Amino acid sequence: GNSVTQMEGPVTLSEEAFLTINCTYTATGYPSLFWYVQYPGEGLQLLLKATKADDKGSNKGFEATYRKETTSFHLEKGSVQVSDSAVYFCALWPWDTGRRALTFGSGTRLQVQP
Amino acid sequence: DSGVTQTPKHLITATGQRVTLRCSPRSGDLSVYWYQQSLDQGLQFLIQYYNGEERAKGNILERFSAQQFPDLHSELNLSSLELGDSALYFCASNSWGITGSGANVLTFGAGSRLTVL
Repeated sequence: GNSVTQMEGPVTLSEEAFLTINCTYTATGYPSLFWYVQYPGEGLQLLLKATKADDKGSNKGFEATYRKETTSFHLEKGSVQVSDSAVYFCALWPWDTGRRALTFGSGTRLQVQP
Repeated sequence: DSGVTQTPKHLITATGQRVTLRCSPRSGDLSVYWYQQSLDQGLQFLIQYYNGEERAKGNILERFSAQQFPDLHSELNLSSLELGDSALYFCASNSWGITGSGANVLTFGAGSRLTVL
C-alpha cells in the first residue's frame, strides 16, 4: 500500500537557519506529492505540491522537489522565521484508481527560536 | 478562513455515548473527506463522500458512520465512544471527486476536538 515516512521531530532551529525536513514515500506509479502545514490550534493548510517527477513546488520561501529515483520530496527553506513554527506533514495522492485520498506522514514539529 | 466549516469546535462526553460532528464543505466542492488526528495514530483517513455517495473507505471503525446530505454537508456519527476515540476530527473538501485526474488539493476545516472521559 501507499505510505509516507517523515523524519521525526521536533526540529529546533534558530531564526535564519536552513531547514530540511526529509520525506520519502512508497507508492505505485506516479503519485502527486504535497506538503501541508498545521499552525497551533488550526487545521491543515496546503503549503506546496508537485504532480510529476522533477517538478519543484514552492511557496512562502519553502521548496520541495519530486525525486522519483529516490522516492523523496524533502522540504527546504533557506532562512526560517519564528512564524514558521508549526507541524509539517508530507502527503501523497495515489496515482492508481483505487482508494483516492491523501495519505499523510506522521508530521514533523518545527520550533524556531528567536 | 478555509471555507470548510466544522462544528462543534470542542466536545467533551463520556464513554459509551454517541456524538455527531458536522461539516459544511467549501462552496462548489462536491467531495467531503473525514480524517482522525490522534497522538499515537497520526492523521488517518476515515471515509469519503462524493455528491451524496460513499466513494472511499479508510480506517473507519464499525462504531463510526457518516453521510452526506443533498445540500452537501456531511455528518460523522461516533457511537459507543471509548477513551481511545479522543482525537481531532478533520473534515476536508475538494471539487474533483474520484473522476478527477492529476493533483487533488484538499481544503481542511479547523477540526472538531473530541474528548471522551
